[in-house]
Amino acid sequence: EVRLVESGGDLVQPGGSLRLSCAASGFTFSSYDMNWVRQAPGKGLEWLSYINSRGSTIYYADSVRGRFIISRDNAEHSLSLQMDSLRVEDTAFYYCARDLYGDHTLDYWGQGALVIVSS
Amino acid sequence: SSELTQDPAVSVALGQTVRITCQGDSLTSYYANWYQQKAGQAPVLVMSGQDKRPSGIPDRFSGSKSGNTASLTIIGAQAEDEADYYCSSRDRRGNQPPVLFGGGTKLTVL
Repeated sequence: EVRLVESGGDLVQPGGSLRLSCAASGFTFSSYDMNWVRQAPGKGLEWLSYINSRGSTIYYADSVRGRFIISRDNAEHSLSLQMDSLRVEDTAFYYCARDLYGDHTLDYWGQGALVIVSS
Repeated sequence: SSELTQDPAVSVALGQTVRITCQGDSLTSYYANWYQQKAGQAPVLVMSGQDKRPSGIPDRFSGSKSGNTASLTIIGAQAEDEADYYCSSRDRRGNQPPVLFGGGTKLTVL
């Protein structure tokens, strides 16, 4: 069974940092590209970042480029999102999602990690 | 424009057919994916590419595309289909394939 489990969500002050992790199991993690997507409370989905299976190709949404860093550890079956210079508007549920074909068809999602940015 | 537009809300009577649409320039080049999100849950892929249903998705769900408009059709809507539905596609801008999401359609089954 494919499982993606996010962790690391927390309450953080504006300007602070947080690192989210996504533990993958039930599939060959090193064979799949991965993505982060977020959803502000009561709002729609926003794609944030993509990393290919080897970690050699990375993309970011304009809203987080320069502040967030995506990375992966294939040996540990883990995806991460380092978030710096956090803003109030970064408050959201953060989901990791598996990329089925490498074309952003997201076939499995984690349950989400809640990040609250507030003073 | 680099946006995907969805109707905010749609309703359907139990057992009837409903079409949820998604419009955007990127759809002239790429197919849409569709995600279902029930209250308090993570999104679930229900349709990808040219009418591809993931395993476990009922065959009452189907997808289509014409020009710059993609559609998700539910034939014989059930109470459990009540959810938010989001379309997505790749973005045409530049060489990067960032991902676009539509604003979502809240489906109510009456």
